[in-house]
Amino acid sequence: NAGVTQTPKFQVLKTGQSMTLQCAQDMNHNSMYWYRQDPGMGLRLIYYSASEGTTDKGEVPNGYNVSRLNKREFSLRLESAAPSQTSVYFCASRDRVTYEQYFGPGTRLTVT
Amino acid sequence: DQQVKQNSPSLSVQEGRISILNCDYTNSMFDYFLWYKKYPAEGPTFLISISSIKDKNEDGRFTVFLNKSAKHLSLHIVPSQPGDSAVYFCAALGYGGSQGNLIFGKGTKLSVKP
Repeated sequence: NAGVTQTPKFQVLKTGQSMTLQCAQDMNHNSMYWYRQDPGMGLRLIYYSASEGTTDKGEVPNGYNVSRLNKREFSLRLESAAPSQTSVYFCASRDRVTYEQYFGPGTRLTVT
Repeated sequence: DQQVKQNSPSLSVQEGRISILNCDYTNSMFDYFLWYKKYPAEGPTFLISISSIKDKNEDGRFTVFLNKSAKHLSLHIVPSQPGDSAVYFCAALGYGGSQGNLIFGKGTKLSVKP
């Protein structure tokens, strides 16, 4: 039982490049989330998917798109990376009963 | 406007003593709160939670207290251990259209000195 997995662990992009961050969970959770964490800013919600087939914007969605590929997988895409998107990105999934969110190990992204 | 506030960015405590981490919230509609712990280069992990129908919840060395009238909660760690050194995030469960989403504070970095 791997929980929540994320790939890649690290990535360096040049301004204007695109990339997709991958996330998968094996806990059969309906809801999945993407957060970014910046120094002194805590965890901010980018997008979430309450169930397979639905996605919604969170607090900081600009510059990102998401795809809920199936119940297990939820990807985050940066179409044209900007230095302001340098951050650590966490994916999470939620237990329906306890409200706990389970987080992946994170992707550290640097945009130069 | 920040709905969940952790006003102390850092806290240093001696091993064996009590650590008290504080959290304030502004929205009286919040009725469920969670604490997460985060080590460097890892994802946050769930620590303990509390529903607004309770004013205290205990799990081993960790106790969370909720004061609804003051819109304040605190996490007590007794006794503190060096392995407790981490960043602690307080979170409130959203309601209505964002039900199920968590709103996080900015975190408090706890250092437990041997």
